[in-house]
Amino acid sequence: SQTIHQWPATLVQPVGSPLSLECTVEGTSNPNLYWYRQAAGRGLQLLFYSVGIGQISSEVPQNLSASRPQDRQFILSSKKLLLSDSGFYLCAWSVQGSEPQHFGDGTRLSIL
Amino acid sequence: AQSVTQPDIHITVSEGASLELRCNYSYGATPYLFWYVQSPGQGLQLLLKYFSGDTLVQGIKGFEAEFKRSQSSFNLRKPSVHWSDAAEYFCAVGLMNRDDKIIFGKGTRLHILP
Repeated sequence: SQTIHQWPATLVQPVGSPLSLECTVEGTSNPNLYWYRQAAGRGLQLLFYSVGIGQISSEVPQNLSASRPQDRQFILSSKKLLLSDSGFYLCAWSVQGSEPQHFGDGTRLSIL
Repeated sequence: AQSVTQPDIHITVSEGASLELRCNYSYGATPYLFWYVQSPGQGLQLLLKYFSGDTLVQGIKGFEAEFKRSQSSFNLRKPSVHWSDAAEYFCAVGLMNRDDKIIFGKGTRLHILP
């Protein structure tokens, strides 16, 4: 069966520090991969998605970036974090086509 | 533009009572529709999905949802809620002809009274 791993679960970082969040999927090949951010009371905001290795689409201009160095690995990065980057970050995957997305357990990011 | 509206931000029901969470969508074609549930500090779990066929869809945990094309709605129902159903619920529409993206509603937080 397919599983998705996302880490770390919690992260506290100072303003201006770099960021790297990692997400990996097991049990499937060539999945679509997604990064979302969830702010309190504001639903899910799609940040990036990828339909294949090296293919990244950005939904929202920001100081975050994403990379997909391997088929089942999706990384969210920043060179310098802002206070506004605080939130709950969720990774998700789906089979290409009409199947629903499946989510990881999320990373709670707090910026001090 | 495509959109999903969940008109109720919070809903409170007593344990054992019936539940209906509302969802309306705006999409030009026949949509793919989903309901997800999120417990605090957790990821989203798929409750059910509608692609085509029977407009009444059964999901996990005793939930069901009905697709009504004429009303552009996909309301979630449960005949008798349990305290463990307290969570946030998200309705979503799949734009499956556009990069396989999903648009989520802003969620409805369900509170259960003992």
